[in-house]
Amino acid sequence: DAGITQSPRHKVTETGTPVTLRCHQTENHRYMYWYRQDPGHGLRLIHYSYGVKDTDKGEVSDGYSVSRSKTEDFLLTLESATSSQTSVYFCAISELQRDGKYFGPGTRLTVT
Amino acid sequence: TQLLEQSPQFLSIQEGENLTVYCNSSSVFSSLQWYRQEPGEGPVLLVTVVTGGEVKKLKRLTFQFGDARKDSSLHITAAQPGDTGLYLCAGAPPNSGNTPLVFGKGTRLSVIA
Repeated sequence: DAGITQSPRHKVTETGTPVTLRCHQTENHRYMYWYRQDPGHGLRLIHYSYGVKDTDKGEVSDGYSVSRSKTEDFLLTLESATSSQTSVYFCAISELQRDGKYFGPGTRLTVT
Repeated sequence: TQLLEQSPQFLSIQEGENLTVYCNSSSVFSSLQWYRQEPGEGPVLLVTVVTGGEVKKLKRLTFQFGDARKDSSLHITAAQPGDTGLYLCAGAPPNSGNTPLVFGKGTRLSVIA
């Protein structure tokens, strides 16, 4: 199994608070991704990174920011959480953009 | 925008039955992947198909990529309760370079013992 972990695994937070989710990989893959998964919407790409300090937006990037200061870590930040950001967040990695993705175990975030 | 439509959305069958789920698009993809996701876990890559008409087998699972590389199917023979899960397809746009994969919304399969 690919070495990819996410922390925290579960979080409950209040509207308006900042939240940071962490993804850590031990595979040295170039690409890292953040997705959210919601009933009826499937997996939707939030942001992705193709190298240290190189990031790009996905289809649902509003309200989210990311940072990648090391190859192994990719952080997702909700600057001011809203109830619409309640979701399950998955990190994924791959060596090339078109390669199959290895997904982390997910973070369940609830914004009250 | 390239889209992948998966059908059916939901499927409930008895153990031992055969089934086929579909992943369709009006667009061409350079490759297509299938994932299975179990409750509370992340998706797990099952297979990647690259060539039009390609067929790959993984035990009781048979994956086919359409000749025109616009569609794919997953056939499960003699389904077992362990096959229960969400099946997702994802396509790589042609000349994808730095273009992310496109994911379908999935088929949720329930195999009843």
